Amino acid sequence: EAGVTQFPSHSVIEKGQTVTLRCDPISGHDNLYWYRRVMGKEIKFLLHFVKESKQDESGMPNNRFLAERTGGTYSTLKVQPAELEDSGVYFCASRRTGGPYEQYFGPGTRLTVT
Amino acid sequence: GIQVEQSPPDLILQEGANSTLRCNFSDSVNNLQWFHQNPWGQLINLFYIPSGTKQNGRLSATTVATERYSLLYISSSQTTDSGVYFCAGGRGSGNTPLVFGKGTRLSVIA
Repeated sequence: EAGVTQFPSHSVIEKGQTVTLRCDPISGHDNLYWYRRVMGKEIKFLLHFVKESKQDESGMPNNRFLAERTGGTYSTLKVQPAELEDSGVYFCASRRTGGPYEQYFGPGTRLTVT
Repeated sequence: GIQVEQSPPDLILQEGANSTLRCNFSDSVNNLQWFHQNPWGQLINLFYIPSGTKQNGRLSATTVATERYSLLYISSSQTTDSGVYFCAGGRGSGNTPLVFGKGTRLSVIA
């Protein structure tokens, strides 16, 4: 079974540009989460999809961030326009519905905004 | 929401030494995971351990759910163990997101 995959692994963009991150969850996992770690701080939750619906987006920092999950499969996270403070590592995780509650994390996308 | 405290914040070990990392939770959790973030930034799942003890090679973890803490043991440390170790917990239905601690930065020197 393939794990959670994320693309790209690293992105370097200038302030004001747009970047789109992609996450492919483990097949059959209805729950998909986005997290990020910025400025060497702790990893923080951004949002949670159940299939194609946003279950919880309380962690989204502002309206420059837009997440979608087309058809309940892969998800994208767009940052537009990017700011310097958006630099960090963005992680995606997935989990099947029901127990156990273990979340499986992807390798992350390192975003550098210059 | 729950608060997660990890200790120590930083740890330097000589290769071959053993160590214990601790994670305390302000409230009970029904999902508890340990991760290793390697120097390339990748997050590696180590353990899913809401209770009990598990072992995987040189690593083992114990969670005492009634006392709201978990321990990660690293034995015979190697330089490749360096990085940041995070614990994270969640409660409720299982859909609730994980809350992470600030991590323990481990440096293993040869």
